[in-house]
Amino acid sequence: GDSVTQMEGPVTLSEEAFLTINCTYTATGYPSLFWYVQYPGEGLQLLLKATKADDKGSNKGFEATYRKETTSFHLEKGSVQVSDSAVYFCALSDLDYKLSFGAGTTVTVRA
Amino acid sequence: EAQVTQNPRYLITVTGKKLTVTCSQNMNHEYMSWYRQDPGLGLRQIYYSMNVEVTDKGDVPEGYKVSRKEKRNFPLILESPSPNQTSLYFCASSLSSDTDTQYFGPGTRLTVL
Repeated sequence: GDSVTQMEGPVTLSEEAFLTINCTYTATGYPSLFWYVQYPGEGLQLLLKATKADDKGSNKGFEATYRKETTSFHLEKGSVQVSDSAVYFCALSDLDYKLSFGAGTTVTVRA
Repeated sequence: EAQVTQNPRYLITVTGKKLTVTCSQNMNHEYMSWYRQDPGLGLRQIYYSMNVEVTDKGDVPEGYKVSRKEKRNFPLILESPSPNQTSLYFCASSLSSDTDTQYFGPGTRLTVL
């Protein structure tokens, strides 16, 4: 079945550091890929998405490129802020109308 | 304001006592779903509904029931809760399918003693 594997955390960074969270997937079809973010005490909200190979999703300084050849959708941000501290989830949606999530990566940014 | 609401936000109950967690959305979305979030496991889908009167199992449906009698409401029912259902539950909705942006509720933290 479909699955998503993302790098384990927690990740602790200093402000203005570069952030990368790796995400790879297994799917039978041509899935849509997502990054969701969960701030403390809140529900998830969409950060960015890509629906086909080579698409780049971007939002709030975060970027991720849909790489079909490596089945990856790594999340990057060039300069993180304290307000980026959150749990980040990679997810995919394939032909079976189900959304599959990775385990989540906790990111803490220190001032 | 467009939103997904869940009630209650926190619930402590005992094994075997039936409970319902309500979910409502005001965005006229067709697709709704329930997830549970557990440490190290991410979110796992319990049930989803593509429209009124259409529901289907997700990855972890055992011990749960749902109904979709109205477009805006999608309650989650635990007929006989057990301690392994202690978790954080999220309801979500989207315009027409899971490829659309999912809007999540604030979560319901359930403890079954």
